Amino acid sequence: AQRVTQPEKLLSVFKGAPVELKCNYSYSGSPELFWYVQYSRQRLQLLLRHISRESIKGFTADLNKGETSFHLKKPFAQEEDSAMYYCALNSGGSNYKLTFGKGTLLTVNP
Amino acid sequence: NAGVTQTPKFQVLKTGQSMTLQCAQDMNHEYMSWYRQDPGMGLRLIHYSVGAGITDQGEVPNGYNVSRSTTEDFPLRLLSAAPSQTSVYFCASRRFAGLANNEQFFGPGTRLTVL
Repeated sequence: AQRVTQPEKLLSVFKGAPVELKCNYSYSGSPELFWYVQYSRQRLQLLLRHISRESIKGFTADLNKGETSFHLKKPFAQEEDSAMYYCALNSGGSNYKLTFGKGTLLTVNP
Repeated sequence: NAGVTQTPKFQVLKTGQSMTLQCAQDMNHEYMSWYRQDPGMGLRLIHYSVGAGITDQGEVPNGYNVSRSTTEDFPLRLLSAAPSQTSVYFCASRRFAGLANNEQFFGPGTRLTVL
């Protein structure tokens, strides 16, 4: 069965420090993975998708099929990065059903 | 474009009452879905639709009904509310159901409390 694991509920770093939010997945097919972010009192929005191989707001994420991971990284955290981050897997193939991890609350301290 | 809109923003129900959460999108999106967000559980898919007249169950469909009579609207019905349905509900839409690399947009959410 498909599963997305985010092992850290909470992550706290200081401004300017590197940050890595971990995501591991379990899926028998070819995975389609995403990172979503939810800032305080705002709606959920897409941050990254692995298929685009892009960098958004300084964040990058690389799909590692060998380790079944899709960790989110940023070399220098900013206070405005404080938010809830969700890793998600499209487990429905062409029917597109997102399975979300439980989320990691990132706090960047001044 | 208003994007994905949801009404109401907040709702309090008594156990056993029924109600409908409204969701609409004005982007001509094929795919629409409902999620519930609970503390420590992330988001879980309730129901989804790949086009008008087509719906299917997600991970946690029990106690909820949906229909998709138009492309724009995808209401979620609670048949007989239970305290376990206290949650924040998000509606989302996507341009194409089966195509990769098109973004899913979320609504602002409805916070539901069942007493």
